[in-house]
Amino acid sequence: SYVLTQPPSVSVAPGKAARITCGGNNTETVHWYQQKPGQAPVLVIYYASGRPSGIPERFSGSNSGNTATLTISRIEAGDEADYYCQVWDSSSNIALFGGGTKLTVL
Amino acid sequence: EVQLVQSGAEVKKAGESLKISCKASGYTFSNYWIAWVRQKPGKGLEWLGIFYPSDSDVKYSPSFRGQVSISVDKSINTAYLQWNSLGASDSATYFCARKMGSSSGWYQNWGQGTLVTVSS
Repeated sequence: SYVLTQPPSVSVAPGKAARITCGGNNTETVHWYQQKPGQAPVLVIYYASGRPSGIPERFSGSNSGNTATLTISRIEAGDEADYYCQVWDSSSNIALFGGGTKLTVL
Repeated sequence: EVQLVQSGAEVKKAGESLKISCKASGYTFSNYWIAWVRQKPGKGLEWLGIFYPSDSDVKYSPSFRGQVSISVDKSINTAYLQWNSLGASDSATYFCARKMGSSSGWYQNWGQGTLVTVSS
């Protein structure tokens, strides 16, 4: 199976936009999760750009080639969390998670 | 409202067996794949495997095949993750999650997590 590559950390000032990348195969079907300390993950984007109900419009996703990007606009302190990308590897019949990106709000 | 409620924290010794549970409510249990995900302290998410209650199809990550067993009891809408012999490296928080969509689908709903601590 292959790997999904995320930057270990991203820092951004309040009010600015944060962009977190996920590189690998099948990123056109990537899903993104937010996880705050001590909590279960929460889905924020599905199939690269779909936004579940209840997720603010500030969260958006895109994909180009083998790289998916999660963009969080107008960053707030409450967005500070770990973010994980995930895909399904159909050749191995397993789900893969990226290593996670810690988003720090300066 | 969809809910996945997991069993409580466990403290075990190496070599002991363990079965943790994930009780689902708010949807038709048989119709959705349910997965287990591991998270070691301070580390990322690792996918262990997934079970489809309707036909008992199960898939495991090669990293965990033979180490854990996933099962369900459809009569009580509950999924299980089981170890026959725990090791210290199994200490982690384990999440169950309901899968939506097709085979490449996403994990919409998550349990609150079960902390497993194994002492040697």
